[in-house]
Amino acid sequence: GNSVTQMEGPVTLSEEAFLTINCTYTATGYPSLFWYVQYPGEGLQLLLKATKADDKGSNKGFEATYRKETTSFHLEKGSVQVSDSAVYFCALSADYGGSQGNLIFGKGTKLSVKP
Amino acid sequence: EAGVVQSPRYKIIEKKQPVAFWCNPISGHNTLYWYRQNLGQGPELLIRYENEEAVDDSQLPKDRFSAERLKGVDSTLKIQPAELGDSAVYLCASSQKTSSHEQFFGPGTRLTVL
Repeated sequence: GNSVTQMEGPVTLSEEAFLTINCTYTATGYPSLFWYVQYPGEGLQLLLKATKADDKGSNKGFEATYRKETTSFHLEKGSVQVSDSAVYFCALSADYGGSQGNLIFGKGTKLSVKP
Repeated sequence: EAGVVQSPRYKIIEKKQPVAFWCNPISGHNTLYWYRQNLGQGPELLIRYENEEAVDDSQLPKDRFSAERLKGVDSTLKIQPAELGDSAVYLCASSQKTSSHEQFFGPGTRLTVL
């Protein structure tokens, strides 16, 4: 079945450091891929998405590229800020069948950025 | 525009008691989802509605869980009776349609079963 595996946290970085959170997936067909973020005390928010191979999603300085050959969708940011401290979830959505549109999430990676 | 509204935000009950969660999706969103998020895990889908029809309830434990979406707007998720293992955050999400991909999440209801 479809699944998502992301690097375990917590990840602690200093402000302005480079961030990478690895995410790989298993799926049939051509799923859509997402990164969601959950700030402390808030609900999940869509950070970025990519719907086909080689697409790059970007938002708020974060980027992720849909790599079908490596079944990966790693999240990167060149210079993190304290305000980026949150839990990040990688997710996929099947592109066909009865589960189309249902999100399958990874376990989440907690990021803490220190000033 | 108001986001997805859920209530209550927190609920503490004793095992074997019933509990209900309410969700009001974003206006105009036809698709509504209920997810359960265990501590340290990602959300897992329980049920998906297209308007008032439950189109995917394959992950809903039907012996104790039930849900409804009357008139295709608000939704209620119920657990009766609750068990210790039901302690989790219950998330509601909505989207304009299944294929629109972006789901908007509510803040969740944190359930503690003692």
